[in-house]
Amino acid sequence: KNEVEQSPQNLTAQEGEFITINCSYSVGISALHWLQQHPGGGIVSLFMLSSGKKKHGRLIATINIQEKHSSLHITASHPRDSAVYICAVNSGGSNYKLTFGKGTLLTVNP
Amino acid sequence: DVKVTQSSRYLVKRTGEKVFLECVQDMDHENMFWYRQDPGLGLRLIYFSYDVKMKEKGDIPEGYSVSREKKERFSLILESASTNQTSMYLCASRGTVLYEQYFGPGTRLTVT
Repeated sequence: KNEVEQSPQNLTAQEGEFITINCSYSVGISALHWLQQHPGGGIVSLFMLSSGKKKHGRLIATINIQEKHSSLHITASHPRDSAVYICAVNSGGSNYKLTFGKGTLLTVNP
Repeated sequence: DVKVTQSSRYLVKRTGEKVFLECVQDMDHENMFWYRQDPGLGLRLIYFSYDVKMKEKGDIPEGYSVSREKKERFSLILESASTNQTSMYLCASRGTVLYEQYFGPGTRLTVT
């Protein structure tokens, strides 16, 4: 069983919809990251969080440490949000090594 | 803004060739990483360097070596490329204050 599980694997939405991507992890962590990768492109860090909630524009990331769960929300989705979203954790004791989920492919149709 | 650059976006090599992938970062970061990304497997850590000339094996170091002679540059070496090393290779860097990693654009390597 992977230490970091994402759901769903694939997600198709219509423009304007509210989107949620989930991430569950099985180890103690010092930080959780949400990353974005456009087709053929590099990876961009969206959020790094260890508690609570962060917001940037239309993106919101939350984490529940007790439940070992994080969600990434996209409000008013747009076709340019189409990308792979990756959850990764710094597991306890390692502040450099990231353990990655396998990613969620989001397609937003106009 | 942090910039991480990689020497090639696309590379095609023959089995048995020695392959060098270079990564340069411009933020004076101590930590640098090499990952490979494969469909269905996600990102996996090959090697990590926490300072000049210092390195640690990641999860899948077999068939690879690394070199860090200068702080800004981290090289991944495939001593004798094999077809199972066909993959997307991503470099990243990180400072020691924040945990955020900055990724390069990736090199898609095909070994034939």
